[in-house]
Parts: sequence; structure tokens; C-alpha cells
Amino acid sequence: GQQLNQSPQSMFIQEGEDVSMNCTSSSIFNTWLWYKQDPGEGPVLLIALYKAGELTSNGRLTAQFGITRKDSFLNISASIPSDVGIYFCAGQTNALNRDDKIIFGKGTRLHILP
Amino acid sequence: DGGITQSPKYLFRKEGQNVTLSCEQNLNHDAMYWYRQDPGQGLRLIYYSQIVNDFQKGDIAEGYSVSREKKESFPLTVTSAQKNPTAFYLCASSTGILNYGYTFGSGTRLTVV
Repeated sequence: GQQLNQSPQSMFIQEGEDVSMNCTSSSIFNTWLWYKQDPGEGPVLLIALYKAGELTSNGRLTAQFGITRKDSFLNISASIPSDVGIYFCAGQTNALNRDDKIIFGKGTRLHILP
Repeated sequence: DGGITQSPKYLFRKEGQNVTLSCEQNLNHDAMYWYRQDPGQGLRLIYYSQIVNDFQKGDIAEGYSVSREKKESFPLTVTSAQKNPTAFYLCASSTGILNYGYTFGSGTRLTVV
């Protein structure tokens, strides 16, 4: 079945550093989504991407929908302590097919050192 | 404000007992989902329902059961047949137009002792 390979699995960075994580697949996706999960909470949608090549920003976050439609990346600039958590990429192939589901990566766990 | 509510936040049960996790949404979403999260495993789909009175098994349905009698509610029962039930359980809902993504609840942490 479809799988998303998310990397890195975990990251340890200093506060103020920039962060980059990515997601790849052997399948083509029509939508890429990035979620953040705070400890002990449910994931929250950060950015949604709908078009190949699209680059979208949300504050210090920037995400891109790969040209091949098989990958996406998320960058966080000037990290702060509240950026700690798990970041999930997710992809979806057919928005109008009720039998289709969103596929999730295994997540990137971000740790920020004081 | 609309949202999706899971209760309780923490649940402790003795081994061998069935337990039901609640999930309620007032977003008027057609589809609802249950995921299980273990450390390092990501989100694994247990069951999902696209419409009232209908639901399908996900990737790890064994030992779980669900019902969808109302649009707003999608309770999950963890049965005694589930061999390793201790986990963080997440409920989600969507409009059915999947490129809007899912809205997640805040989760229930189940501990079986």
C-alpha cells in the first residue's frame, strides 16, 4: 500500500536554529498536509498544500509540495521552545473519493536544547 | 465553537475488562476515524466511518469494535481480545472532502494494569 517515509525520525537542535524535515513516497499525492502534535495532545493542521511546486508559509513555517508530487518538506526558522513536538506529514490522493484516506508519515520528533 | 471531544483524557482498566472510549464532534462532519499511537509507531488506523450506520476496519482492527448510530458520535470499545491495549488513542473527523485534512481530538491515554 501507500507509504510515506518521513525523515529524520528525531532532531535535537539549539534554540534559534532553523529546522528542515521532509517526506517522500513512491506514490503520487494530490494533497500534502503538515501537522504538529504537542505532547499529550492531538495533532493540529499547520499547512495544507494542493498544487505541485506550491510553496506556502505560516509564520515561521514554510512548506513545499514537490514538483514530482511524491515529496514535501517543512522548514521552521528560528526555532523557539514551543516548537517542541512531533511533526507529521500526510498525503492524500483523491479528495472526492469517500473510500480514500489520508496517509500519515511516522513523524519527526523535535527536541530543543536550552 | 465547533470541535471534537474525546473523553476521558486518562483511563485505567484492569486486564481482561472491556472499555469504551468516547468521541463526539459538533462539526457536522460525515467521516470519523480512530487511530492508535504508540511511541515510534506513528498513527495507526483502527476503524473509520464515512457515514452513519456504516464503518470499515482499518489496519489494526483486531480486538476493537465501534458503532456509528449518530453522526456526532463514534465510540471505540477496546475489548479483552486486544493483546496490548495500553496506548494513546486519537479520534478524528473530516468533511469527507479529504484535502481539507482531519480534525483531531485531544486523545485518551488508556493504561491497562
